[in-house]
Amino acid sequence: AQTVTQSQPEMSVQEAETVTLSCTYDTSESNYYLFWYKQPPSRQMILVIRQEAYKQQNATENRFSVNFQKAAKSFSLKISDSQLGDTAMYFCAFMKPTTSGTYKYIFGTGTRLKVLA
Amino acid sequence: EAGVAQSPRYKIIEKRQSVAFWCNPISGHATLYWYQQILGQGPKLLIQFQNNGVVDDSQLPKDRFSAERLKGVDSTLKIQPAKLEDSAVYLCASSPGLHGYTFGSGTRLTVV
Repeated sequence: AQTVTQSQPEMSVQEAETVTLSCTYDTSESNYYLFWYKQPPSRQMILVIRQEAYKQQNATENRFSVNFQKAAKSFSLKISDSQLGDTAMYFCAFMKPTTSGTYKYIFGTGTRLKVLA
Repeated sequence: EAGVAQSPRYKIIEKRQSVAFWCNPISGHATLYWYQQILGQGPKLLIQFQNNGVVDDSQLPKDRFSAERLKGVDSTLKIQPAKLEDSAVYLCASSPGLHGYTFGSGTRLTVV
């Protein structure tokens, strides 16, 4: 069975600084996708960044980038120039195709990030 | 484009009562998901529909939880009877395929 582990329950960072959130996963699948989602107090799950496992190049979205180490099954998120609006829960997620032709997420337990003014 | 709509936003019930949640996915999204998110944990898939058929309900506690998606559009999730441990946020999501996966804002259920 696939599992996703986030070992940092809480983190804090000063505004404008850089922070890295860790995520490891376990799978025997070769075709899968990895995601980071942000969940503010509004509870809306907001997609931050996506990585296809078959791509060696690390994904980047503006201030957000990942360090994808496939052999180590590691998928960390780096937030540069942290902003107060980045304060939220961050979930690492693993997605795989199912036999029915759809896709299924498995989420980690989350890291609560607080950006300090 | 309208998002995934869920109602109610909050619900408080006593244990052993029943409750229902409603989800309206994004128009055209064939796949609909219900997740349970217990405080301090990540969302856990309860049930997945493809159009109006169930494709995965392996983690749905079928003795008390039920869900339907009539006509392949809206969906309802019901709990009867509720237990204290059912207190959680219930998230609905929909997708047309791999991309475009969109979550609703969830229903926060408190069982007292």
